[in-house]
Amino acid sequence: EDQVTQSPEALRLQEGESSSLNCSYTVSGLRGLFWYRQDPGKGPEFLFTLYSAGEEKEKERLKATLTKKESFLHITAPKPEDSATYLCAVQASTANSKLTFGKGITLSVRP
Amino acid sequence: GAVVSQHPSRVICKSGTSVKIECRSLDFQATTMFWYRQFPKKSLMLMATSNEGSKATYEQGVEKDKFLINHASLTLSTLTVTSAHPEDSSFYICSARGRNYEQYFGPGTRLTVT
Repeated sequence: EDQVTQSPEALRLQEGESSSLNCSYTVSGLRGLFWYRQDPGKGPEFLFTLYSAGEEKEKERLKATLTKKESFLHITAPKPEDSATYLCAVQASTANSKLTFGKGITLSVRP
Repeated sequence: GAVVSQHPSRVICKSGTSVKIECRSLDFQATTMFWYRQFPKKSLMLMATSNEGSKATYEQGVEKDKFLINHASLTLSTLTVTSAHPEDSSFYICSARGRNYEQYFGPGTRLTVT
């Protein structure tokens, strides 16, 4: 069974204090690993898809990396507007496979 | 990025009535659409998966007669909550997957059944 574990559950940072969010996974053949951001009362917003170990993607203050066992979402010099819940999900390479989500990491950035 | 819309964003209905929620992929064709339910401070719970022109596949424990899903075209799926009861009150989110397997989510619909 595919599994995704995100840590820590919650993270509080001071504005400008860089950090990383972890997503560990086990999957029977990875098609893709996805990162989403979710604000309260809204649907998840797509951030990145990573397909193979060694791949990296960046968007503004966010950088996602992937190994065969985990992914990291690095946040550089975060701002209060980066406060949200960050979700990690994996999709297996089997036909019609569904996303398996982690429980999410709630990030709070203090000004 | 790809855009998925949902309508309505909020709905209040009386117990026993039915409510329809629409989900549209605005700038891509969705080979597969998904419906999720989310409880406060909890992760997303997949309810069902649908492919255009096919019957939806429901997750275990989800009543297919209560949550009717229609995937009429490559850009439109609807979820109808039939004979709604207060326990059906929740945040419902649709998602659409394109040909590159990337999956995009709608903004969600807050359903309150009184």
